[in-house]
Amino acid sequence: KQEVTQIPAALSVPEGENLVLNCSFTDSAIYNLQWFRQDPGKGLTSLLLIQSSQREQTSGRLNASLDKSSGRSTLYIAASQPGDSATYLCAVIPYSGGSNYKLTFGKGTLLTVNP
Amino acid sequence: ETGVTQSPTHLIKTRGQQVTLRCSSQSGHNTVSWYQQALGQGPQFIFQYYREEENGRGNFPPRFSGLQFPNYSSELNVNALELDDSALYLCASSLQAAELFFGEGSRLTVL
Repeated sequence: KQEVTQIPAALSVPEGENLVLNCSFTDSAIYNLQWFRQDPGKGLTSLLLIQSSQREQTSGRLNASLDKSSGRSTLYIAASQPGDSATYLCAVIPYSGGSNYKLTFGKGTLLTVNP
Repeated sequence: ETGVTQSPTHLIKTRGQQVTLRCSSQSGHNTVSWYQQALGQGPQFIFQYYREEENGRGNFPPRFSGLQFPNYSSELNVNALELDDSALYLCASSLQAAELFFGEGSRLTVL
């Protein structure tokens, strides 16, 4: 059974700091890994999708890496801003060989960026 | 905005009642998935529909059921509501295994 763990559970940083969020998964047979952002009481906003054949993806100040063999992904946020404050969720799609594309999520990292 | 819309945004029900939640998927997406997110937890997979057929189900009892329509919109039905069903219900649409896009969710409170 695939399990996804995110460390730390919560993180508080001053504005302008670079930071790294960690995600680990137990089964390396994955199809995709996707990072999301969730504001309080809201839905999920997709940040980055990394396919299993890729090592990293970048979008603006965000960079996500994937190491399938070790079962790890990191989300790097450069020059953090108060508007980055949110919960960040990591999710994997296992490679089932079929058409069932179910995401398994971690519990998320609650990020607070202080002005 | 993802183009995935859910209704209603909030609702309150009592134990034993039934509820229907609706989701309109993003244009061109043929796959809809439903997730339940309890407070402080990551979303849990309920089931997925592809071209109007259920093609995957998580660890949820049969009182959770769904439909997908020819226009790829979807419904989630929950019968015999229990207190533990209180959660944010999220719908996601995708083109099969490509990037998933989520709606804003329906917040269900069961009293």
